[in-house]
Amino acid sequence: EIVLTQSPGTLSLSPGEGATLSCRASQSVRSSYLAWYQQKPGQAPRLLIYAASSRATGIPDRFSGSGSGTDFTLTIRRLEPEDFAVYYCQQYAGLPQITFGQGTRLEIK
Amino acid sequence: QVQLQESGPGLVKPSDTLSLTCSVSAYSISSGYNWGWIRQPPGKGLEWIGSIYHSGSTNYNPSLKSRLIISVDTSKNHFSLKLRSVTAADTAVYYCARGIRAWLGNDYFDYWGQGTLVTVSS
Repeated sequence: EIVLTQSPGTLSLSPGEGATLSCRASQSVRSSYLAWYQQKPGQAPRLLIYAASSRATGIPDRFSGSGSGTDFTLTIRRLEPEDFAVYYCQQYAGLPQITFGQGTRLEIK
Repeated sequence: QVQLQESGPGLVKPSDTLSLTCSVSAYSISSGYNWGWIRQPPGKGLEWIGSIYHSGSTNYNPSLKSRLIISVDTSKNHFSLKLRSVTAADTAVYYCARGIRAWLGNDYFDYWGQGTLVTVSS
């Protein structure tokens, strides 16, 4: 099983600032099969990024993903008020197991 | 736009079977893609439960496999989850989602249902 560890647990920033969220895997994620999701209170997760760096349909270009192997990053440029949420990474390289990170809470400072 | 909607009892007794259905609209399950279940205990993170292809082939979380059945009914355009012998640890919001299968890999999920809270309690 590939274990994903996200850091920091909580990130406190102001609108307009940039955010950098980390996701580290316990073993190499083959073919960069890593996705990022955003979840707001009371809502389902929303797909942001797949294949480590490809934006999903309708996702603003201020969201970007990077990384390979065991280290992946979600970067959000110029935070908007609606960006404050919990973010999860997910690996889909493992067979049969899909795993999620424990989440990073992005809160308004 | 593809829409998914979970349905089923919100309260299940310990040792009973949890049964949920996910109805899909604006897309025919028989056309392809994988269809998955993910759960989230209150205040906690996401856990993948399992996925099914329209042909009926399944892929389960090893930690739940012994208690789990996921099935698909293409005539009703829905898929279902049955988890037997539930305990309080199975209390969670259960989501259904459409899975995109990566080449020689597993699924990531692009469309999600709104989720349904299932509480296991006597």
